[in-house]
Amino acid sequence: GQQVMQIPQYQHVQEGEDFTTYCNSSTTLSNIQWYKQRPGGHPVFLIQLVKSGEVKKQKRLTFQFGEAKKNSSLHITATQTTDVGTYFCAGEGTDKLIFGTGTRLQVFP
Amino acid sequence: NAGVTQTPKFRILKIGQSMTLQCTQDMNHNYMYWYRQDPGMGLKLIYYSVGAGITDKGEVPNGYNVSRSTTEDFPLRLELAAPSQTSVYFCASSFTETTYEQYFGPGTRLTVT
Repeated sequence: GQQVMQIPQYQHVQEGEDFTTYCNSSTTLSNIQWYKQRPGGHPVFLIQLVKSGEVKKQKRLTFQFGEAKKNSSLHITATQTTDVGTYFCAGEGTDKLIFGTGTRLQVFP
Repeated sequence: NAGVTQTPKFRILKIGQSMTLQCTQDMNHNYMYWYRQDPGMGLKLIYYSVGAGITDKGEVPNGYNVSRSTTEDFPLRLELAAPSQTSVYFCASSFTETTYEQYFGPGTRLTVT
Protein backbone atom coordinates (compact mmCIF):
# COMPACT_ATOMS: atom_id res chain seq x y z
CA GLY A 1 0.00 0.00 0.00
CA GLN A 2 0.93 3.64 -0.24
CA GLN A 3 3.48 4.80 2.29
CA VAL A 4 4.60 8.24 3.38
CA MET A 5 7.88 8.36 5.24
CA GLN A 6 9.53 11.25 7.03
CA ILE A 7 13.09 11.82 8.10
CA PRO A 8 14.52 12.43 10.53
CA GLN A 9 12.35 10.87 13.23
CA TYR A 10 13.76 13.22 15.87
CA GLN A 11 15.74 16.44 15.71
CA HIS A 12 17.20 18.39 18.60
CA VAL A 13 18.46 21.89 17.79
CA GLN A 14 19.75 24.91 19.65
CA GLU A 15 17.48 27.90 19.47
CA GLY A 16 18.43 29.95 16.43
CA GLU A 17 19.58 26.97 14.36
CA ASP A 18 17.75 25.90 11.23
CA PHE A 19 15.68 22.73 10.92
CA THR A 20 14.51 20.67 7.94
CA THR A 21 12.23 17.65 7.72
CA TYR A 22 11.78 15.60 4.58
CA CYS A 23 8.72 13.69 3.40
CA ASN A 24 8.81 10.94 0.77
CA SER A 25 5.90 9.10 -0.81
CA SER A 26 5.97 5.75 -2.56
CA THR A 27 3.52 7.12 -5.15
CA THR A 28 2.97 10.40 -6.98
CA LEU A 29 0.78 12.79 -5.02
CA SER A 30 -1.76 15.27 -6.31
CA ASN A 31 -1.18 17.43 -3.26
CA ILE A 32 0.54 17.36 0.10
CA GLN A 33 -0.42 18.88 3.41
CA TRP A 34 1.64 19.73 6.49
CA TYR A 35 0.44 19.65 10.08
CA LYS A 36 1.98 20.61 13.41
CA GLN A 37 1.21 18.92 16.71
CA ARG A 38 2.36 20.61 19.90
CA PRO A 39 3.20 18.31 22.84
CA GLY A 40 -0.06 17.12 24.38
CA GLY A 41 -2.07 18.79 21.63
CA HIS A 42 -3.80 17.84 18.42
CA PRO A 43 -2.58 18.18 14.82
CA VAL A 44 -3.17 21.60 13.31
CA PHE A 45 -3.11 22.28 9.57
CA LEU A 46 -0.24 24.46 8.35
CA ILE A 47 -0.34 24.47 4.57
CA GLN A 48 -1.19 22.61 1.38
CA LEU A 49 1.00 22.33 -1.74
CA VAL A 50 -0.49 21.37 -5.07
CA LYS A 51 1.81 22.27 -7.96
CA SER A 52 4.99 20.53 -9.01
CA GLY A 53 8.00 22.47 -7.66
CA GLU A 54 5.78 24.74 -5.58
CA VAL A 55 7.38 26.75 -2.79
CA LYS A 56 5.37 28.51 -0.10
CA LYS A 57 6.51 30.54 2.88
CA GLN A 58 4.93 31.29 6.21
CA LYS A 59 7.18 33.68 8.11
CA ARG A 60 10.19 31.49 9.08
CA LEU A 61 8.71 28.31 7.56
CA THR A 62 9.40 27.33 3.93
CA PHE A 63 7.54 24.45 2.31
CA GLN A 64 8.55 22.79 -0.96
CA PHE A 65 6.85 20.23 -3.19
CA GLY A 66 9.17 18.19 -5.37
CA GLU A 67 9.20 18.36 -9.15
CA ALA A 68 8.06 14.75 -9.39
CA LYS A 69 5.41 15.35 -6.70
CA LYS A 70 6.69 12.42 -4.63
CA ASN A 71 8.53 14.37 -1.98
CA SER A 72 8.27 17.51 0.08
CA SER A 73 10.21 19.40 2.70
CA LEU A 74 9.62 21.83 5.53
CA HIS A 75 12.44 24.17 6.51
CA ILE A 76 12.38 26.38 9.59
CA THR A 77 14.85 29.24 9.72
CA ALA A 78 16.22 30.35 13.09
CA THR A 79 14.15 28.04 15.27
CA GLN A 80 12.41 29.32 18.37
CA THR A 81 11.16 27.43 21.41
CA THR A 82 7.63 27.93 20.10
CA ASP A 83 8.53 25.67 17.15
CA VAL A 84 8.68 22.62 19.43
CA GLY A 85 6.36 19.84 18.35
CA THR A 86 5.88 17.08 15.82
CA TYR A 87 5.54 17.95 12.15
CA PHE A 88 3.54 15.63 9.92
CA CYS A 89 3.19 15.60 6.18
CA ALA A 90 0.10 13.99 4.66
CA GLY A 91 -0.34 12.78 1.11
CA GLU A 92 -3.38 11.79 -0.86
CA GLY A 93 -4.77 8.31 -0.65
CA THR A 94 -8.09 6.98 -1.91
CA ASP A 95 -10.74 9.06 -0.11
CA LYS A 96 -8.32 9.84 2.68
CA LEU A 97 -4.99 11.34 3.58
CA ILE A 98 -2.03 9.15 4.41
CA PHE A 99 -0.10 10.75 7.25
CA GLY A 100 3.64 10.51 7.41
CA THR A 101 5.51 9.12 10.38
CA GLY A 102 6.29 12.60 11.73
CA THR A 103 9.41 14.44 12.82
CA ARG A 104 9.64 15.49 16.44
CA LEU A 105 11.48 18.78 16.92
CA GLN A 106 12.99 19.78 20.23
CA VAL A 107 14.49 23.25 20.59
CA PHE A 108 16.89 24.01 23.43
CA PRO A 109 17.09 27.65 24.60
CA ASN B 1 -18.17 27.59 15.75
CA ALA B 2 -16.90 25.03 18.25
CA GLY B 3 -15.21 23.03 15.47
CA VAL B 4 -14.66 19.39 16.36
CA THR B 5 -15.48 18.38 19.90
CA GLN B 6 -14.71 15.08 21.59
CA THR B 7 -15.86 13.54 24.84
CA PRO B 8 -14.59 12.34 27.21
CA LYS B 9 -11.10 13.86 27.46
CA PHE B 10 -9.77 11.04 29.60
CA ARG B 11 -11.01 7.55 30.40
CA ILE B 12 -9.69 4.48 32.16
CA LEU B 13 -11.26 1.15 31.20
CA LYS B 14 -10.84 -2.31 32.58
CA ILE B 15 -10.07 -5.13 30.18
CA GLY B 16 -13.26 -6.40 28.58
CA GLN B 17 -15.30 -3.25 29.20
CA SER B 18 -16.90 -1.31 26.36
CA MET B 19 -17.31 2.40 25.72
CA THR B 20 -18.25 4.94 23.10
CA LEU B 21 -16.08 7.91 22.21
CA GLN B 22 -18.19 10.82 21.06
CA CYS B 23 -17.27 13.18 18.22
CA THR B 24 -19.30 16.12 16.94
CA GLN B 25 -18.51 18.78 14.35
CA ASP B 26 -20.48 21.92 13.58
CA MET B 27 -18.84 22.86 10.28
CA ASN B 28 -21.21 20.85 8.07
CA HIS B 29 -18.30 18.72 6.89
CA ASN B 30 -19.09 15.61 4.89
CA TYR B 31 -15.93 13.69 5.75
CA MET B 32 -15.11 12.50 9.25
CA TYR B 33 -12.28 10.34 10.53
CA TRP B 34 -11.09 8.50 13.60
CA TYR B 35 -7.36 8.15 14.27
CA ARG B 36 -5.37 6.63 17.07
CA GLN B 37 -1.95 7.83 18.10
CA ASP B 38 0.23 5.65 20.27
CA PRO B 39 2.90 7.36 22.41
CA GLY B 40 5.60 8.94 20.25
CA MET B 41 4.06 7.57 17.08
CA GLY B 42 2.14 8.83 14.08
CA LEU B 43 -1.55 8.78 13.26
CA LYS B 44 -3.26 5.56 12.25
CA LEU B 45 -6.66 5.72 10.60
CA ILE B 46 -9.28 3.51 12.26
CA TYR B 47 -12.47 4.34 10.36
CA TYR B 48 -13.74 7.13 8.19
CA SER B 49 -17.02 8.33 6.74
CA VAL B 50 -17.74 10.23 3.54
CA GLY B 51 -21.26 11.20 4.59
CA ALA B 52 -24.22 10.23 6.73
CA GLY B 53 -24.92 6.53 6.48
CA ILE B 54 -21.57 5.69 4.86
CA THR B 55 -18.56 4.37 6.73
CA ASP B 56 -15.42 2.49 5.73
CA LYS B 57 -12.47 0.82 7.39
CA GLY B 58 -9.10 2.43 7.69
CA GLU B 59 -5.74 0.92 8.50
CA VAL B 60 -6.52 -0.47 12.00
CA PRO B 61 -10.29 -1.16 12.35
CA ASN B 62 -10.20 -4.35 14.43
CA GLY B 63 -11.85 -3.97 17.83
CA TYR B 64 -13.77 -0.85 16.85
CA ASN B 65 -17.10 0.06 15.29
CA VAL B 66 -18.55 3.31 14.03
CA SER B 67 -21.82 4.73 12.84
CA ARG B 68 -22.78 7.93 11.06
CA SER B 69 -26.47 8.63 11.41
CA THR B 70 -26.10 12.41 11.06
CA THR B 71 -23.64 14.76 9.37
CA GLU B 72 -22.56 16.15 12.74
CA ASP B 73 -21.87 13.01 14.79
CA PHE B 74 -19.41 10.18 14.33
CA PRO B 75 -19.14 8.02 17.46
CA LEU B 76 -16.47 5.34 17.87
CA ARG B 77 -17.41 2.20 19.78
CA LEU B 78 -14.83 0.04 21.55
CA GLU B 79 -16.03 -3.48 22.29
CA LEU B 80 -14.19 -5.69 24.77
CA ALA B 81 -11.38 -3.25 25.52
CA ALA B 82 -7.84 -4.62 25.45
CA PRO B 83 -4.54 -3.11 26.71
CA SER B 84 -3.46 -2.73 23.06
CA GLN B 85 -6.19 -0.11 22.67
CA THR B 86 -4.48 2.21 25.15
CA SER B 87 -3.88 5.28 23.01
CA VAL B 88 -4.96 8.83 22.25
CA TYR B 89 -7.93 8.95 19.90
CA PHE B 90 -8.47 11.88 17.57
CA CYS B 91 -11.56 12.63 15.58
CA ALA B 92 -11.20 14.85 12.52
CA SER B 93 -13.39 16.27 9.80
CA SER B 94 -12.97 17.86 6.39
CA PHE B 95 -15.25 19.48 3.86
CA THR B 96 -14.45 16.89 1.27
CA GLU B 97 -11.73 14.38 0.64
CA THR B 98 -8.03 14.89 0.29
CA THR B 99 -8.02 18.36 -1.21
CA TYR B 100 -9.16 20.03 1.96
CA GLU B 101 -7.52 20.36 5.31
CA GLN B 102 -8.60 18.22 8.22
CA TYR B 103 -9.76 19.78 11.47
CA PHE B 104 -8.91 17.74 14.53
CA GLY B 105 -10.65 17.50 17.86
CA PRO B 106 -8.68 17.78 21.12
CA GLY B 107 -8.47 14.01 21.55
CA THR B 108 -9.50 11.37 24.08
CA ARG B 109 -6.77 9.77 26.16
CA LEU B 110 -7.78 6.17 26.85
CA THR B 111 -6.05 3.74 29.18
CA VAL B 112 -7.05 0.08 29.35
CA THR B 113 -5.79 -1.82 32.40
